[in-house]
Amino acid sequence: DTAVSQTPKYLVTQMGNDKSIKCEQNLGHDTMYWYKQDSKKFLKIMFSYNNKELIINETVPNRFSPKSPDKAHLNLHINSLELGDSAVYFCASSQQRYTDTQYFGPGTRLTVL
Amino acid sequence: SQQGEEDPQALSIQEGENATMNCSYKTSINNLQWYRQNSGRGLVHLILIRSNEREKHSGRLRVTLDTSKKSSSLLITASRAADTASYFCATVSWYNAGNMLTFGGGTRLMVKP
Repeated sequence: DTAVSQTPKYLVTQMGNDKSIKCEQNLGHDTMYWYKQDSKKFLKIMFSYNNKELIINETVPNRFSPKSPDKAHLNLHINSLELGDSAVYFCASSQQRYTDTQYFGPGTRLTVL
Repeated sequence: SQQGEEDPQALSIQEGENATMNCSYKTSINNLQWYRQNSGRGLVHLILIRSNEREKHSGRLRVTLDTSKKSSSLLITASRAADTASYFCATVSWYNAGNMLTFGGGTRLMVKP
């Protein structure tokens, strides 16, 4: 009965490859988010979707393309991976776009070699 | 740059002692939240304090907010080994598009049994 789940948990890949991370929430929430946590533990928002519509895009490189097939899923596709993309990526959801509390997934640790 | 900055970055105490973590931020906020992150896991929401509140309690947690100083503190009383984790403050600002959480770098708390 996991609330917010992500796959895979670990992802190791070579520079230049394309990879995807999947996120699903079973909370019935309208809004989902992607965050990036760097090696110094700083957590920064990347995107937010509300009912499949992109509402927040925080100056993330075009190589990152989120996709929301339905409001329970928000996937993150990354093209031409770079060393600096190595981080832990967290998916989160909230009941609505103006709801304060967010629920986080367990994270996906991406390592680019 | 990060909106919230936690202080100290790391804290080590004995079980039973109190732990105090501080957070400073730069811009006006609607509310401030504290999250806990256990090693290798996602963030878990602990407590929310609104900008018109000065103090809030939840179990062994006490949060204060001073909007004139743009600072907040989280106090964990009678700490337990299970409280060992990283603690993040997150400021919430409302935009036309929706809420946005901006996190600080976290305080790594170790509670020794």
